[in-house]
Amino acid sequence: KAGVTQTPRYLIKTRGQQVTLSCSPISGHRSVSWYQQTPGQGLQFLFEYFSETQRNKGNFPGRFSGRQFSNSRSEMNVSTLELGDSALYLCASSLGTSFYNEQFFGPGTRLTVL
Amino acid sequence: DAKTTQPNSMESNEEEPVHLPCNHSTISGTDYIHWYRQLPSQGPEYVIHGLTSNVNNRMASLAIAEDRKSSTLILHRATLRDAAVYYCILRGGNKLVFGAGTILRVKS
Repeated sequence: KAGVTQTPRYLIKTRGQQVTLSCSPISGHRSVSWYQQTPGQGLQFLFEYFSETQRNKGNFPGRFSGRQFSNSRSEMNVSTLELGDSALYLCASSLGTSFYNEQFFGPGTRLTVL
Repeated sequence: DAKTTQPNSMESNEEEPVHLPCNHSTISGTDYIHWYRQLPSQGPEYVIHGLTSNVNNRMASLAIAEDRKSSTLILHRATLRDAAVYYCILRGGNKLVFGAGTILRVKS
């Protein structure tokens, strides 16, 4: 069974640009969550989608948005990039939204903003 | 979000058991205790979870205190591949709220 895949793996952008990251969950998984990891703040929850609906959102500005498609694939978008958006962005999928559902993480997309 | 407290780092010898503690005194009755680990240059990986009873799987064991205010992740025989950051997480919703975790170093 293929794991969670994220594309691209590495990305370099400049301030003010926007970026779209993609996540393909494990086949059969309907829940996709996004996390940001930085050395200073650690791992922080961005948002979660289930059946194309955003179910949960973390404490991030509106520049961060996402969506989920009918095949459960998800994208996240960051507009008007700032230097502080440089981070590893991780996507995780799970079968459902129950508290005991294990989340499977992808390898992440390393975003560098210059 | 309920918080957990873990030691910043721990060290273990290869082939020996490791006990990673976690305090979660504000846990609510419906919070599950999850453990994830993150190996260098990888995304986090699920290790184990439990609610009230002790749990075992192929990777580790989870011992949960009777009052549920603390738990311990047990790696029965540490290997060099177990060197990672271990996160203890209380999960009362689908999102995972990560703390700083414990850096586990394994010496050969």
